[in-house]
Amino acid sequence: DAGVIQSPRHEVTEMGQEVTLRCKPISGHDYLFWYRQTMMRGLELLIYFNNNVPIDDSGMPEDRFSAKMPNASFSTLKIQPSEPRDSAVYFCASSRTGGSPLHFGNGTRLTVT
Amino acid sequence: AQSVTQLGSHVSVSEGALVLLRCNYSSSVPPYLFWYVQYPNQGLQLLLKYTSAATLVKGINGFEAEFKKSETSFHLTKPSAHMSDAAEYFCAVESGGSYIPTFGRGTSLIVHP
Repeated sequence: DAGVIQSPRHEVTEMGQEVTLRCKPISGHDYLFWYRQTMMRGLELLIYFNNNVPIDDSGMPEDRFSAKMPNASFSTLKIQPSEPRDSAVYFCASSRTGGSPLHFGNGTRLTVT
Repeated sequence: AQSVTQLGSHVSVSEGALVLLRCNYSSSVPPYLFWYVQYPNQGLQLLLKYTSAATLVKGINGFEAEFKKSETSFHLTKPSAHMSDAAEYFCAVESGGSYIPTFGRGTSLIVHP
């Protein structure tokens, strides 16, 4: 079991550029979550999927953010255009079923200059 | 509705001393409760989970937590702190069939030699 795999680990980009974060969940897990972690706000849920279908995206900050899960083994979080206030660590997590513990990736540290 | 309060953003202990990290929750139905640990530059990892099977839950690395319904608490303890326990600890609650855990703001555990 390789765990949840996120790429890249670090991303530095300029304001206005498009950023794509990638996630491979654990095989067999039905739920996938995207979180953002900052010192000011702590851990924020952005969106989650069940069986590849987006269920709740009310945490997505604004239309600049979008997430997809084209299949059970891959998800992306895209920011277009990026802004300095998007700088944070973005985590992907998956779980087998509702009520199961979440398994987190090691995160992507995004810096927007 | 569900919420989690972690008292104290920072807790400092000496090596060998008792560790006590506090967590209070609110939930309209019996909850699932979790403690996660986050080491620097890593994602969150599950320490332990309460699912109503027993009020005292033992986790990894010598940690345990006790569910007290009357106090709506789920405090995390460890009899003797090690330097390697220095990390950020998060309490989370999941209830009402939401399948979405709500995380506390986290408590940073500092261990002095």
